[in-house]
Amino acid sequence: ETGVTQSPTHLIKTRGQQVTLRCSSQSGHNTVSWYQQALGQGPQFIFQYYREEENGRGNFPPRFSGLQFPNYSSELNVNALELDDSALYLCASSLGGLAVNEQFFGPGTRLTVL
Amino acid sequence: EDKVVQSPLSLVVHEGDTVTLNCSYEVTNFRSLLWYKQEKKAPTFLFMLTSSGIEKKSGRLSSILDKKELFSILNITATQTGDSAVYLCAVFQGGSEKLVFGKGTKLTVNP
Repeated sequence: ETGVTQSPTHLIKTRGQQVTLRCSSQSGHNTVSWYQQALGQGPQFIFQYYREEENGRGNFPPRFSGLQFPNYSSELNVNALELDDSALYLCASSLGGLAVNEQFFGPGTRLTVL
Repeated sequence: EDKVVQSPLSLVVHEGDTVTLNCSYEVTNFRSLLWYKQEKKAPTFLFMLTSSGIEKKSGRLSSILDKKELFSILNITATQTGDSAVYLCAVFQGGSEKLVFGKGTKLTVNP
């Protein structure tokens, strides 16, 4: 059983650029959730994908978008980067459905916007 | 607005001490409360609590939920330097299917 993986580990971009972050879910999991964690804060929910469909969204602007692929891996895209987008981006995979299941987190991607 | 509040925000103790971390919540459509330990990057799962009054234990760590008073505590006995981390409390919200996190408690255990 493989765990949740994310790439890249670190990324430096400048304001206005676009970025794509990737996440491979744990084997057998069909749900991926993305979170943004600013320094000294708890993770904030961005959105969730379940079976390739967006299944919930937090208070993030439309320039934050995502995809989930048939193998349940996922991408987070951020357009028109702003300085405040600098954060640790975490993805978590879980087995979706009505039951509550624990979410397993990946190691994160540290994004720095200059 | 849904919120999860953790206290204290930071705590410094000596090895061998016992600590209690607090988490209160106001989240609509509560489904469960989870505790995570975050050392460098990935939060690692500790406990999931769904029922009031039932203590969950794992080694020196234990946790309990009070759904009437809307809070949970995480206890760590005989602390070790390896317990130094940020402890995150999160509530799983039904409908939105998201975790609402607190800001975390930063625990430092000195030798």
